[in-house]
Amino acid sequence: AQSVTQLDSHVSVSEGTPVLLRCNYSSSYSPSLFWYVQHPNKGLQLLLKYTSAATLVKGINGFEAEFKKSETSFHLTKPSAHMSDAAEYFCVVSFYNQGGKLIFGQGTELSVKP
Amino acid sequence: GAGVSQTPSNKVTEKGKYVELRCDPISGHTALYWYRQSLGQGPEFLIYFQGTGAADDSGLPNDRFFAVRPEGSVSTLKIQRTERGDSAVYLCASRSSGTHIGTGELFFGEGSRLTVL
Repeated sequence: AQSVTQLDSHVSVSEGTPVLLRCNYSSSYSPSLFWYVQHPNKGLQLLLKYTSAATLVKGINGFEAEFKKSETSFHLTKPSAHMSDAAEYFCVVSFYNQGGKLIFGQGTELSVKP
Repeated sequence: GAGVSQTPSNKVTEKGKYVELRCDPISGHTALYWYRQSLGQGPEFLIYFQGTGAADDSGLPNDRFFAVRPEGSVSTLKIQRTERGDSAVYLCASRSSGTHIGTGELFFGEGSRLTVL
């Protein structure tokens, strides 16, 4: 079965310092992996996606993620956090053979301190 | 429309009542999904439509939940005999038919927050 595990429920960083949000996946197939962000009272927005092309994926707002098959990981990083990055982040795997159904992780809340 | 629209944004009801939640997807998107997000949790899949038909309803928790999409556009999620445990944010998403089903981005609405007293 396909699933994702986000290793941290909450991450706190200072503005200007690097961000690391960890995600491990389990999949019987070659996965499609995504990171979505959810700001308070806003809809979910796609940050980036991996679909078996380049293993280092760049997304919006300076975020990137690296697909590591040997480690079954898809960690999200950003070199320098901004106050506006404070939000809930979801790692997601796609059920490509079932209509593109997305399976979400539990989420990581990112706090950014001034 | 410009994005996925969901109404109402907030709904408060009493236990045992019937509720309808509406989703208007992005124009031209043939695939439509419903998810439920409980407090502190990630969204959980409920049902997926391709056109007018439910292609996968494996996430519906029980027979009190039902969804329709009669004309392949707007969808309505219907909950009968609501229970306090149904309280959650119900999210709708759509995907363009031009994108691969496994890799195409889902566009989400802002959700309908249901509170059952």
